[in-house]
Amino acid sequence: GDSVTQMEGPVTLSEEAFLTINCTYTATGYPSLFWYVQYPGEGLQLLLKATKADDKGSNKGFEATYRKETTSFHLEKGSVQVSDSAVYFCALSHTGNQFYFGTGTSLTVIP
Amino acid sequence: GAVVSQHPSWVICKSGTSVKIECRSLDFQATTMFWYRQFPKQSLMLMATSNEGSKATYEQGVEKDKFLINHASLTLSTLTVTSAHPEDSSFYICSARGRGTTYNEQFFGPGTRLTVL
Repeated sequence: GDSVTQMEGPVTLSEEAFLTINCTYTATGYPSLFWYVQYPGEGLQLLLKATKADDKGSNKGFEATYRKETTSFHLEKGSVQVSDSAVYFCALSHTGNQFYFGTGTSLTVIP
Repeated sequence: GAVVSQHPSWVICKSGTSVKIECRSLDFQATTMFWYRQFPKQSLMLMATSNEGSKATYEQGVEKDKFLINHASLTLSTLTVTSAHPEDSSFYICSARGRGTTYNEQFFGPGTRLTVL
């Protein structure tokens, strides 16, 4: 069945450091891939998405490229800020009904 | 963009009582709504999917008599936790998709934290 695997956290970085959160997936066909962010005490917010191979999703300085050959969708940001501290979830969906989420990666950015 | 709200944002109740959580789509018609449960430091677990005007479809292991879901209109779905017990304490998140939204996206509410004493 379909599944998503993300790197375990927690991740702690200094402000302005480079961020990578790995995400790989197992799926039949060609799902859409998503990164969601959850700030403390809040629900999930869509951070970025990609709907086909080689697409790059980007938002707020975050980027992720849909790599079919490596079944990956790694999240990157060149210079993190304290306000980026949150939990990040990688997810896939074929139709928008069934979403498969990774276990989440907690990021803490220290000044 | 598509906005989903939940009410209440948090609730504390006594064991044995029932609690109702509302999920509303504010600027689109939600033909499908989803209810998730999230345990501390864990991912979201899909509990059920509901389509407007029909019975909810529950995921395996979710008690339909305990978690009553009603999707009576295109903008409102409710989750009622009946005879709540401390083990039902959790963060409940709804999401929705429908007319006017991107076909493969779900839009999430801010969540409701339920604490059962």
